Amino acid sequence: GAVVSQHPSRVICKSGTSVKIECRSLDFQATTMFWYRQFPKQSLMLMATSNEGSKATYEQGVEKDKFLINHASLTLSTLTVTSAHPEDSSFYICSASGGSNQPQHFGDGTRLSIL
Amino acid sequence: AQKITQTQPGMFVQEKEAVTLDCTYDTSDPSYGLFWYKQPSSGEMIFLIYQGSYDQQNATEGRYSLNFQKARKSANLVISASQLGDSAMYFCAMREINAGNNRKLIWGLGTSLAVNP
Repeated sequence: GAVVSQHPSRVICKSGTSVKIECRSLDFQATTMFWYRQFPKQSLMLMATSNEGSKATYEQGVEKDKFLINHASLTLSTLTVTSAHPEDSSFYICSASGGSNQPQHFGDGTRLSIL
Repeated sequence: AQKITQTQPGMFVQEKEAVTLDCTYDTSDPSYGLFWYKQPSSGEMIFLIYQGSYDQQNATEGRYSLNFQKARKSANLVISASQLGDSAMYFCAMREINAGNNRKLIWGLGTSLAVNP
């Protein structure tokens, strides 16, 4: 149980392209989803927290117009990196939680490379 | 101040032996949760074990156990009978409530574990 699917697993695209990453909870309803960014050999950096049907809460220093988050249903959240540039290249990983006392379950991550 | 401290950037252990990965935390909230996750080189984050601040007993999950010492604010992960597949990064995390009342995780910097055959 508690499976989270993240798609795509890898993206390589040109600078200026917008990239959408999907995060789905397959066998549970995720009241909250989290989006992280991870640089090589570093810990996870929380970008934003999203609740179904409401605006995402962004962490300090994260541009909400750059990283658009939509959490339209209890099983799907999307992160769109708008007009991506090489400095946006990173490993992005989502997690979903079924409730306040439940652990976060993670997707397999998306490796984004902007040329 | 760092809320989750993992003092061991890298650890080595011989296959079939036990290993302890250290984690200390800092919080003034009486109610909190502590988690351990494993991240293999492929990148996915795998939930291993959870300890609640009010739990009376140390959490165990198969070969994983959490040595929870509340007074010392430590939550060390013990892996018994290490296997080659245990080689990975291990992250300790603590849950607290953020401004939106969502329980985000505070992460440690991780410990890289290498299991030697």
